[in-house]
Amino acid sequence: TQLLEQSPQFLSIQEGENLTVYCNSSSVFSSLQWYRQEPGEGPVLLVTVVTGGEVKKLKRLTFQFGDARKDSSLHITAAQPGDTGLYLCAGVESWAGANNLFFGTGTRLTVIP
Amino acid sequence: NAGVTQTPKFRVLKTGQSMTLLCAQDMNHEYMYWYRQDPGMGLRLIHYSVGEGTTAKGEVPDGYNVSRLKKQNFLLGLESAAPSQTSVYFCASSYFGTGSNQPQHFGDGTRLSIL
Repeated sequence: TQLLEQSPQFLSIQEGENLTVYCNSSSVFSSLQWYRQEPGEGPVLLVTVVTGGEVKKLKRLTFQFGDARKDSSLHITAAQPGDTGLYLCAGVESWAGANNLFFGTGTRLTVIP
Repeated sequence: NAGVTQTPKFRVLKTGQSMTLLCAQDMNHEYMYWYRQDPGMGLRLIHYSVGEGTTAKGEVPDGYNVSRLKKQNFLLGLESAAPSQTSVYFCASSYFGTGSNQPQHFGDGTRLSIL
């Protein structure tokens, strides 16, 4: 079983603060996806990073894929209450042509107004 | 624009009972997946299907069976429910493709409790 560890597990910050969430694995993945999940809903894809060292920005969110394609980070600048949710990283591996995902343990973020 | 629809949303079972969870997608996706989500463990893949009439085991398939008789539907069955199967179950689907960048589209989950 591929294991992706996310840290921290829980994070509570004030509106306007910056934060970084980490996703680490001993396995190499072909790519890595980040999802956000709201209570009572399924995860929604935020971004896919493919190349080692790749950096992608989505408004105030910056995603980076490690050079060795084993780890990733998510940095949020000036967090807003709307950023509250469960953030999940997922390593992508191809099995029989299907892009199977191995999910991390999750980081639950609360942004306090 | 329904996307992925899961039925039912909530269910309580007694140990030993059986039930079937239904997943329906209207996006003409080839691939469909069933996951379970438990606290502190993220989502784990139970079974998946790469097309109508095909199924394959994921990380945690024991105690579950699946069927994909129609392209748009993916059924997850519990033949004899156990308390360890108490979880939130998510269905997802994705387009057929050779790359690994295809997003998976998730339903809103089925919360299942086994007493």
